Amino acid sequence: GAGVSQSPRYKVTKRGQDVALRCDPISGHVSLYWYRQALGQGPEFLTYFNYEAQQDKSGLPNDRFSAERPEGSISTLTIQRTEQRDSAMYRCASSLATAQETQYFGPGTRLLVL
Amino acid sequence: AQSVTQPDIHITVSEGASLELRCNYSYGATPYLFWYVQSPGQGLQLLLKYFSGDTLVQGIKGFEAEFKRSQSSFNLRKPSVHWSDAAEYFCAVGASLGGNTPLVFGKGTRLSVIA
Repeated sequence: GAGVSQSPRYKVTKRGQDVALRCDPISGHVSLYWYRQALGQGPEFLTYFNYEAQQDKSGLPNDRFSAERPEGSISTLTIQRTEQRDSAMYRCASSLATAQETQYFGPGTRLLVL
Repeated sequence: AQSVTQPDIHITVSEGASLELRCNYSYGATPYLFWYVQSPGQGLQLLLKYFSGDTLVQGIKGFEAEFKRSQSSFNLRKPSVHWSDAAEYFCAVGASLGGNTPLVFGKGTRLSVIA
């Protein structure tokens, strides 16, 4: 398919473990966004990239969260020393250009920290 | 900074009845506005968007929305609801100035459809 893909779709981990969430954007899309969605809430911004450059990481909750997009395509969101409050749906989106464009979302990764 | 309010957490509509989901936004300039739908186990699917021009926007699945600057609103409408429209609906606002920016979402409205 030509859509945004994310893996894994579901991740169950124990508190204190590190997790890495992957996002593969639509081919050719310049911008890539990470959002987090708690149950019963709308998605909330975490960070975004234009090409490989991280433009804004103001939404990352603390320094346990980091993201990279080293070659301007696939991106990884890493959460270190996970805590139960990190449990949520993590969504990735991509858009074609750096001007405001429609963001296309992936299916998300459901993270559960026990 | 932008913000979005969706006043209705949950709405129940009979199949075949009309639907209006409310969305109010806050932004200093003309915003970019979006409606997304999220079905169970699915990602967010774009229904429609407003960037400029005609304030009445047509989207997929028979949905439309009207941008009303004076009311800071972008309400979503459908004349006749189908059972398959049951889902969560999110309104979002993007900044029109300063290049691409993250979207700010409302908390969503859950739509239930009854026979």
